[in-house]
Amino acid sequence: SQQGEEDPQALSIQEGENATMNCSYKTSINNLQWYRQNSGRGLVHLILIRSNEREKHSGRLRVTLDTSKKSSSLLITASRAADTASYFCAGNAGNMLTFGGGTRLMVKP
Amino acid sequence: NAGVMQNPRHLVRRRGQEARLRCSPMKGHSHVYWYRQLPEEGLKFMVYLQKENIIDESGMPKERFSAEFPKEGPSILRIQQVVRGDSAAYFCASSPPAQGGNEQFFGPGTRLTVL
Repeated sequence: SQQGEEDPQALSIQEGENATMNCSYKTSINNLQWYRQNSGRGLVHLILIRSNEREKHSGRLRVTLDTSKKSSSLLITASRAADTASYFCAGNAGNMLTFGGGTRLMVKP
Repeated sequence: NAGVMQNPRHLVRRRGQEARLRCSPMKGHSHVYWYRQLPEEGLKFMVYLQKENIIDESGMPKERFSAEFPKEGPSILRIQQVVRGDSAAYFCASSPPAQGGNEQFFGPGTRLTVL
């Protein structure tokens, strides 16, 4: 079964707008990680947020984690066409990562 | 420092043949994970290995699939008697000795097509 469920499944925005993706998970986690995948490519690690953290920033990325609601969000500010990709959250409850189905983001120039 | 290496990048097999997928972890990483991704889906965990040991194979199909990570050389994911449903992208990831869950670094994947 999937640990994470992303919402929305697909998102289309204009360049310069912000993109927000949400993720819910089912069981307790040590940390939650966000990955990006360009079509037909491997995964690129974006950011890791630990269970005792509430918010983390990295460049144009902002991630929040609410362990009481078992949810996380990824915000990409000032989006660019190059941000077009699929974004996955993955819960880490030990050593394996359990991925959600992903959000397919399209940023139109 | 080279990243996680996987080969081949693309593999075509006919039904009933064997598929061997190789993964070389990043330097200094002793933990290897294999994941499978079906089209339009997220990755599904298959197996977690350390050198010469299978730590968790809860995601591995019971038949035809096996994995190893020998003392020397790459990790191997082996699929015997492949069927069309095995067509997928197989990703390997590695991490340093675990401290309660670390970032996993992914390879570029092997795309298996079963004809």
